[in-house]
Amino acid sequence: NAGVTQTPKFRVLKTGQSMTLLCAQDMNHEYMYWYRQDPGMGLRLIHYSVGEGTTAKGEVPDGYNVSRLKKQNFLLGLESAAPSQTSVYFCASSYTGSNTEAFFGQGTRLTVV
Amino acid sequence: GDSVTQMEGPVTLSEEAFLTINCTYTATGYPSLFWYVQYPGEGLQLLLKATKADDKGSNKGFEATYRKETTSFHLEKGSVQVSDSAVYFCALKTQAAGGTSYGKLTFGQGTILTVHP
Repeated sequence: NAGVTQTPKFRVLKTGQSMTLLCAQDMNHEYMYWYRQDPGMGLRLIHYSVGEGTTAKGEVPDGYNVSRLKKQNFLLGLESAAPSQTSVYFCASSYTGSNTEAFFGQGTRLTVV
Repeated sequence: GDSVTQMEGPVTLSEEAFLTINCTYTATGYPSLFWYVQYPGEGLQLLLKATKADDKGSNKGFEATYRKETTSFHLEKGSVQVSDSAVYFCALKTQAAGGTSYGKLTFGQGTILTVHP
């Protein structure tokens, strides 16, 4: 029962470095999402995908890029990390976009120094 | 745009106390409402949901009723336990006219609950 798996779980980056966060789901879900969680602000949507090969911007997309080359994977990239991107990142997936449950990964804690 | 407002935390209770966490929302379309729980060091898990007005969601002793007239979805539990200590998020999904939705969740800011023995 893997569900949604995020890699890595922790990372420290220097300002200007790049990295990719990987999200993998084994539930054959069409929809996948990347959120960031900051204290006092809940979770905010960065990017999302409604199927293989599609991506769209969410609420806070600046400084991030995504790709969905395979249905089970959703990658989040930071090309030039900034301290403002220090956050906890959560990936989620759902079978459809209506009122079905979204399943979340355990999160990636990223610190940019 | 859509928004969710939760009561300010943190909330600290003794075991067996009554819990209420207030949640109100603004939304276009026809929202479904959710409560998610995040235990320390973990991701979010769905606690309960309601998809239309007057529906009551319930799970693990927690309940919430979808009140369209007051645009609210308050979380309640009659007797909390130490194991209920977590962060609770109220969230909504809107269903746009025509039935399409991309499943995007809009979250409240979260309420930290600590229960002492």
